[in-house]
Amino acid sequence: SQTIHQWPATLVQPVGSPLSLECTVEGTSNPNLYWYRQAAGRGLQLLFYSVGIGQISSEVPQNLSASRPQDRQFILSSKKLLLSDSGFYLCAWSDNVDSGYTFGSGTRLTVV
Amino acid sequence: QKEVEQNSGPLSVPEGAIASLNCTYSDRGSQSFFWYRQYSGKSPELIMFIYSNGDKEDGRFTAQLNKASQYVSLLIRDSQPSDSATYLCAVNSGGYQKVTFGIGTKLQVIP
Repeated sequence: SQTIHQWPATLVQPVGSPLSLECTVEGTSNPNLYWYRQAAGRGLQLLFYSVGIGQISSEVPQNLSASRPQDRQFILSSKKLLLSDSGFYLCAWSDNVDSGYTFGSGTRLTVV
Repeated sequence: QKEVEQNSGPLSVPEGAIASLNCTYSDRGSQSFFWYRQYSGKSPELIMFIYSNGDKEDGRFTAQLNKASQYVSLLIRDSQPSDSATYLCAVNSGGYQKVTFGIGTKLQVIP
């Protein structure tokens, strides 16, 4: 069966520091991968999606970036965090978008 | 801009009652529709998806879709305290990247 791993679970980072969040999927090949952010009181916001190695599409221009160095690995990065980057970051995968997503356990990021 | 609208709640229902959660969407070209359950502090979990007009039942859950009215609903029969969570409606307007989520409705089931 397929599983998705996301880490770390919580992170407190100072403004201006770098960020690296990692997500891996097991038990499938060539999954569609997604990064979402959920801010308090707001809906899920799609940040990036990837349909293959090295293929990244950005939905929201900002100081975040994403990479997919391996088929089942998706990384979210920032060179300098802003206070507004605080939120609940969720990685998700699907093999068929019409069947919905499976989300990782999420990373709660607080920028101080 | 494609939108998915939900009442944020909270919606309070007594244990054993039917909970009715509603969602409207703006894009008439939307093709597939999803309900996710999110417990406080946890990630969303897919509980239902529906493509065609009408009802789709899975255990105590029924999803209802009316494309003409651009309306999706989720009914939870025999509501239990463990159903207390935020329910997110999501709509796929086409393609890998076009799933839009609503803000979610918080459901409270009172014992």
